[in-house]
Amino acid sequence: AQTVTQSQPEMSVQEAETVTLSCTYDTSESDYYLFWYKQPPSRQMILVIRQEAYKQQNATENRFSVNFQKAAKSFSLKISDSQLGDAAMYFCAYRTSNTGNQFYFGTGTSLTVIP
Amino acid sequence: EAGVAQSPRYKIIEKRQSVAFWCNPISGHATLYWYQQILGQGPKLLIQFQNNGVVDDSQLPKDRFSAERLKGVDSTLKIQPAKLEDSAVYLCASSLWGGVGEAFFGQGTRLTVV
Repeated sequence: AQTVTQSQPEMSVQEAETVTLSCTYDTSESDYYLFWYKQPPSRQMILVIRQEAYKQQNATENRFSVNFQKAAKSFSLKISDSQLGDAAMYFCAYRTSNTGNQFYFGTGTSLTVIP
Repeated sequence: EAGVAQSPRYKIIEKRQSVAFWCNPISGHATLYWYQQILGQGPKLLIQFQNNGVVDDSQLPKDRFSAERLKGVDSTLKIQPAKLEDSAVYLCASSLWGGVGEAFFGQGTRLTVV
C-alpha cells in the first residue's frame, strides 16, 4: 500500500506571512492524484487543492499553491498571506488511479496562525 | 448540491455496548468510504464500497465492526461490542468513480466509549 508522510506535526505562522507544509509519499505507480485537505475544529474535511501526477504544472488556488516534485515524490503546500481562518489540521492525501480508487492520508500538520 | 450527511454527531456509550452510524453520500457518488480518525492521527480507511459491493475492508476489525450499503446509496457502520480503543471520530466520505474526483466528507461522528 502507498504511504504518505507528513514530517511536521505542528507549524505556526504569523498572520499575513507565508508557510509551507511538507508531504512525501511512496508509490510505484506512475499515474495518481494528490490532495491537500483542511480539517478545522468542526471536523469536516475540506479540499484545499489537488494535483494530477501527469501534469507538470503546479496547481494553484488563490492563496494556496503546491510544489509537486514527482521524481522526489514530494508534494508541499504553500499558504501565502496567511489568515486566522487558515488555522486547522492539514492532511496530505494520495489517490490511486487504478480501479481501486483508494485514498491514503498522512498523519496531518496542525497549523497555528498567530495574530 | 447537498453534501455528505452523517448521524449522529456525537455518541457516548459504555464498553461492550453496540452503536451504529449512518451515512448518506452525495447523490450519484458510486464510491463510499468509512474512515476512523483517532485524536491526533490521520484518517484510517475501514471500508470502501463501490455501489453496494465492498472494494476494500482489509483494515476493518471484522470481529466487532460491520458495514453495509443498502441499494448502493446509504450506508451504516456498526460496532458490537465496543471497546475503549474504539473512541474516535468516524468519517464518511463519497466520491465519483474514476477520474480526478476528490473525496467529499461528512462532519463525522465523535464516539466516546467509557
